[in-house]
Amino acid sequence: GAGVSQSPSNKVTEKGKDVELRCDPISGHTALYWYRQRLGQGLEFLIYFQGNSAPDKSGLPSDRFSAERTGESVSTLTIQRTQQEDSAVYLCASSLLSTADTQYFGPGTRLTVL
Amino acid sequence: QKEVEQNSGPLSVPEGAIASLNCTYSDRGSQSFFWYRQYSGKSPELIMSIYSNGDKEDGRFTAQLNKASQYVSLLIRDSQPSDSATYLCAAAPSGTYKYIFGTGTRLKVLA
Repeated sequence: GAGVSQSPSNKVTEKGKDVELRCDPISGHTALYWYRQRLGQGLEFLIYFQGNSAPDKSGLPSDRFSAERTGESVSTLTIQRTQQEDSAVYLCASSLLSTADTQYFGPGTRLTVL
Repeated sequence: QKEVEQNSGPLSVPEGAIASLNCTYSDRGSQSFFWYRQYSGKSPELIMSIYSNGDKEDGRFTAQLNKASQYVSLLIRDSQPSDSATYLCAAAPSGTYKYIFGTGTRLKVLA
């Protein structure tokens, strides 16, 4: 595709529900990143994929967060038993290579937990 | 703890002036540096990347890198109201995948 796409663009859920966020990277990009951005804050690294393996999950805030990636394609970020503090914009980025290469961001998913 | 520091602003400049945005980083092993622009409610978009000491120009934008001082800057010439946004600086240590992002500087260009 022309760019990184994410869905849904907005998600409103009730506390305690599970949510699944999707990211479609740029075709051919081997690396994929998930970030969280709370209102008025900077980017918080969550997880990185090289192909379908995740060498670094250190940014995942708790075991309620998980992510997977199919080959060098779609990735899903799942948040179980959502809490109000999970409310944020979740951004996905992809890059052609993994090391110090330009990351291109998707439009983000705005998650609101009531 | 590897860090990238930016003044949060807002930095206010009049239309047509030069806006100067600054960034310092703590990891001397950083080799690649990026400036992203983020409009309110939108995702970051790449403005410039810079890898070598010195200046790199692209249109109205000039990125400057000084590895000895661990300092990166972005100059925006002939600033326009449409340049009003938050500018994020990122550093990538050599051989790693992980960007370290600053918290951003909010720029306001006054018409």
